[in-house]
Amino acid sequence: QKEVEQDPGPLSVPEGAIVSLNCTYSNSAFQYFMWYRQYSRKGPELLMYTYSSGNKEDGRFTAQVDKSSKYISLFIRDSQPSDSATYLCAMRSNDYKLSFGAGTTVTVRA
Amino acid sequence: KAGVTQTPRYLIKTRGQQVTLSCSPISGHRSVSWYQQTPGQGLQFLFEYFSETQRNKGNFPGRFSGRQFSNSRSEMNVSTLELGDSALYLCASSPTSGGVEQFFGPGTRLTVL
Repeated sequence: QKEVEQDPGPLSVPEGAIVSLNCTYSNSAFQYFMWYRQYSRKGPELLMYTYSSGNKEDGRFTAQVDKSSKYISLFIRDSQPSDSATYLCAMRSNDYKLSFGAGTTVTVRA
Repeated sequence: KAGVTQTPRYLIKTRGQQVTLSCSPISGHRSVSWYQQTPGQGLQFLFEYFSETQRNKGNFPGRFSGRQFSNSRSEMNVSTLELGDSALYLCASSPTSGGVEQFFGPGTRLTVL
């Protein structure tokens, strides 16, 4: 079993819809929780990160972490065609290793 | 500031050969991490170098090795290539070891025939 599980999708939504992405994990030592976005033929780029449990909002993006359930989410409000990409969750434990989810491919239809 | 650069961008090799990939981090970043990305396994951590020392290593066989130079540039070597080594190899730099924000390069697409 992988340390980080993420549904690969694909996910297709109409423009303006809310995109909901999530990951589950098994390693309780994870302290930092990140979301990366990867466009086709590009490397991933960090969208936002959260330390420990709680919510964090950045513009149209909201990240949630529930450590008791070992579950993290990313919500994209008012989705745009430019949000079409693969979204990867990532987590870091105290030994500084990053573990990534498989990535969810999102398409926002105009 | 220039981003992370990787060379070459594309590579085709045959089984049994070896390959060396290169990564130049963002200026001032001393940490370079390497990842393998495949459709089936996703992004998997290979190793991290910080100030010329390997700090962390993922669960890959010894055929995968790396090094970092005094200017923080890093190389990754894969010997005795196997078909399963076909993947996108990404390098990422960070100012600190194990940094939460990793700045990724565009990757090297390796195809093993």
